[in-house]
Amino acid sequence: GAGVSQSPRYKVTKRGQDVALRCDPISGHVSLYWYRQALGQGPEFLTYFNYEAQQDKSGLPNDRFSAERPEGSISTLTIQRTEQRDSAMYRCASSWGQGFGELFFGEGSRLTVL
Amino acid sequence: KNEVEQSPQNLTAQEGEFITINCSYSVGISALHWLQQHPGGGIVSLFMLSSGKKKHGRLIATINIQEKHSSLHITASHPRDSAVYICAASMEYGNKLVFGAGTILRVKS
Repeated sequence: GAGVSQSPRYKVTKRGQDVALRCDPISGHVSLYWYRQALGQGPEFLTYFNYEAQQDKSGLPNDRFSAERPEGSISTLTIQRTEQRDSAMYRCASSWGQGFGELFFGEGSRLTVL
Repeated sequence: KNEVEQSPQNLTAQEGEFITINCSYSVGISALHWLQQHPGGGIVSLFMLSSGKKKHGRLIATINIQEKHSSLHITASHPRDSAVYICAASMEYGNKLVFGAGTILRVKS
């Protein structure tokens, strides 16, 4: 596509439910990053993919969070048994290079856990 | 101590002023990104640097690899420059992206 696309744009869920957030990067982009941003805060790195390989997941807060990018294109971030503290804007970014190259950001998925 | 530190946290300037935002990092990097985020808006990439200096319009970004320091300058600032400016470092090993906390810039007319 023309840009990085994320869905859903808004997700409201009840505590304890699982959610899946999708990122469709720019076609051909090798690198894909997930990060989240709480209101009024700076972005917080979650995980990084190089093609389909998850090369760094050190930013995932705990084992309720997981991400995959099975074919090296679309990525899914899954949060199991959501908690209120998971509420944030979840964004992804992609770039053409492996760890370098201009970053292109999606509009984000706003998650609210009630 | 964060791996990427930005200063100042908040900056208010008068229209026309020259603005500098600083970013220091403590680890080896492959690239340093300067990003802009408008209130309620998305994030756009302004610059990606691995050495030297880049210029785009009124924006200039510099990086000193030896000193592990980068600066973003805005010349002849304008109210529409009001935004959050974030530096982000691509780590040399593993390619993890580490963000600074951001600088909230407000330019008054």
